[in-house]
Amino acid sequence: AQKITQTQPGMFVQEKEAVTLDCTYDTSDPSYGLFWYKQPSSGEMIFLIYQGSYDQQNATEGRYSLNFQKARKSANLVISASQLGDSAMYFCAMREGNDYKLSFGAGTTVTVRA
Amino acid sequence: DVKVTQSSRYLVKRTGEKVFLECVQDMDHENMFWYRQDPGLGLRLIYFSYDVKMKEKGDIPEGYSVSREKKERFSLILESASTNQTSMYLCASSLRGLALHEQYFGPGTRLTVT
Repeated sequence: AQKITQTQPGMFVQEKEAVTLDCTYDTSDPSYGLFWYKQPSSGEMIFLIYQGSYDQQNATEGRYSLNFQKARKSANLVISASQLGDSAMYFCAMREGNDYKLSFGAGTTVTVRA
Repeated sequence: DVKVTQSSRYLVKRTGEKVFLECVQDMDHENMFWYRQDPGLGLRLIYFSYDVKMKEKGDIPEGYSVSREKKERFSLILESASTNQTSMYLCASSLRGLALHEQYFGPGTRLTVT
């Protein structure tokens, strides 16, 4: 079974608008961590934000925030005030328990229009 | 800043050739990982290593082997390259321990097997 599901293959967003990228996950481990990475056309994966399963508050990092809904097993990424440089592929990933490994979703391509 | 480097950005090899992909990290990380990235499938873990000479299979180890003789270097080996191994290969490293430690990625190697 897929551990991470990203249902949006591609999205367009107008510059300066906010965009929400969906991510749902599947785990039976009560301890887990959720990550979002950005991959520009250059190919390098850039870490954006992290949410732990026991964190009480939603994670935020600058223009990135993570809408964590534990009961629904969703961890959506919100990018506020989109910029042209935000055009990239975005991956949601999960680490379970003390495992070192990450499970990745299929990714969502975001294109920001001027 | 953590730096993860990969020996080649682009590589073209013939079917049946033995292929070495090298990865070096400069931050004394214990964990190192090899992923392959294919459209619509996200990143899939091939192998990872949590210490020198230690390795564990990931989700898709068939057709690959790895070597970690020094802490900073993790090599991926395709013993006999096949066309279905044409892909983007990403190396990553992370600290051992707390689950929140993110993985740092190299720029990737786009391998074409003809």
